[in-house]
Amino acid sequence: DIQLTQSPSSLSASVGDRVTITCQASQDITNYLHWYQQKPGQAPKLLIYDASNVKTGVPLRFSGSGSGTIFTFTISSLQPEDVATYYCQQYDDLPLTFGPGTKVEIK
Amino acid sequence: EGQLLESGGGFVQPGGSQRLSCVVSGLMFSSSAMSWVRQAPGRGLEWVATISGGGDVTYYADSVKGRFTISRDFSKGTVDLQMNSLRAEDSAIYYCAKNQVTTGPDWFDPWGHGTLVTVSS
Repeated sequence: DIQLTQSPSSLSASVGDRVTITCQASQDITNYLHWYQQKPGQAPKLLIYDASNVKTGVPLRFSGSGSGTIFTFTISSLQPEDVATYYCQQYDDLPLTFGPGTKVEIK
Repeated sequence: EGQLLESGGGFVQPGGSQRLSCVVSGLMFSSSAMSWVRQAPGRGLEWVATISGGGDVTYYADSVKGRFTISRDFSKGTVDLQMNSLRAEDSAIYYCAKNQVTTGPDWFDPWGHGTLVTVSS
């Protein structure tokens, strides 16, 4: 199985800060990596697909990059409504796997 | 974007069965694969199963293979998950989610609100 690790596991930042989360895959997954946001008590929502494509309607402060085994998710200017847990997910191979999540809080 | 609405969750004893259903509306139902993803309380996300757009190919996580069956009813516009031989570790919120391609799982968008299954004696 392809393992995904995320760092950090949690972070606290101020409104307006730039926030970066890293997702590392245990093997090359090309660009088959997606990012989801899950707010407390809600279902996950897709933000980024295929590593760097922002889903239509998602605020432009969210972005993704990377390929191979290292991927980055960035919030350019953290907003209060961005408090959530963020997950990466790969579909290069079955079973589909998710990272353990990164909890983002406001300082 | 469409909506997905799950039902069928509840309490079930270990070894028992439960059937979850997901009603799909506002989407081209047969144009894409559909999946179930679960989340144990306070835990991360785990892919469970996927069925192709045509309903002829299914994929399962090893943890549920042989116990769970995913199916789709084109006349009703539903995707079901039949869960047998349930274990405590199957306790989770089960989300129905749409994939983007017809053949199998890729990314999940949109998601339903989820239905909670609790396996306990």
